Amino acid sequence: EVQLLESGGGLVQSGGSLRLSCAASGFMFNRYAMNWVRQAPGKGLEWVSSISGSGDYTDYADSVKGRFTISRDNSKSVLSLQMNSLRAEDTAVYYCAKRDSSNSPFDPWGRGTLVTVSS
Amino acid sequence: EIVMTQSPATLSVSPGESATLSCRASQSVSSNLAWYQQKPGQAPRLLIYGASTRATGIPARFSGSGSGTEFTLTISSLQSEDFAVYYCQQYNHWYTFGQGTKLEIK
Repeated sequence: EVQLLESGGGLVQSGGSLRLSCAASGFMFNRYAMNWVRQAPGKGLEWVSSISGSGDYTDYADSVKGRFTISRDNSKSVLSLQMNSLRAEDTAVYYCAKRDSSNSPFDPWGRGTLVTVSS
Repeated sequence: EIVMTQSPATLSVSPGESATLSCRASQSVSSNLAWYQQKPGQAPRLLIYGASTRATGIPARFSGSGSGTEFTLTISSLQSEDFAVYYCQQYNHWYTFGQGTKLEIK
């Protein structure tokens, strides 16, 4: 069974940094692209970032480009998101999700970790 | 950026009846369209991908249709566990989501 478990969320001041992790199990981690998606309180879903299976290719939403960095450790089956220069509008539940190929939806998703940025 | 627009924002339906949710893309996304269900405090769950293919374990009462810019999710014979928020997502060019349709009990 595929399982994704996020961690690292918490309360941080505006301008601060936080590093999220997503521990994956139940599949060949290095064969699949991974993604971060966030959801602000009471709001909809927003794609944040993606990384290829090898880690060679990364993409970011304009809203986080230059501030967030996605990475992966395939030896440990862990996906990470380094978030710098955090803003109040970054407050959200952050989900990691697996993607089978370039033209595939996100499935499954982890349970999410809450990031709260205080101003 | 491809903008996804869902309608209605809220849909009130009685159990046992059918519900039809709509999703429109600002430009063609071919059939690269997915539907997700999200219940309070839970992660989104994939229901439909490729506009019309049910994901593993999804009941047959969920069906999707459409291509290009117009898509529909139909849920027949609504069960109590179906009342939730539903999101469409295009994955043809990057990834964008609709704002969601809340399906509530009438």
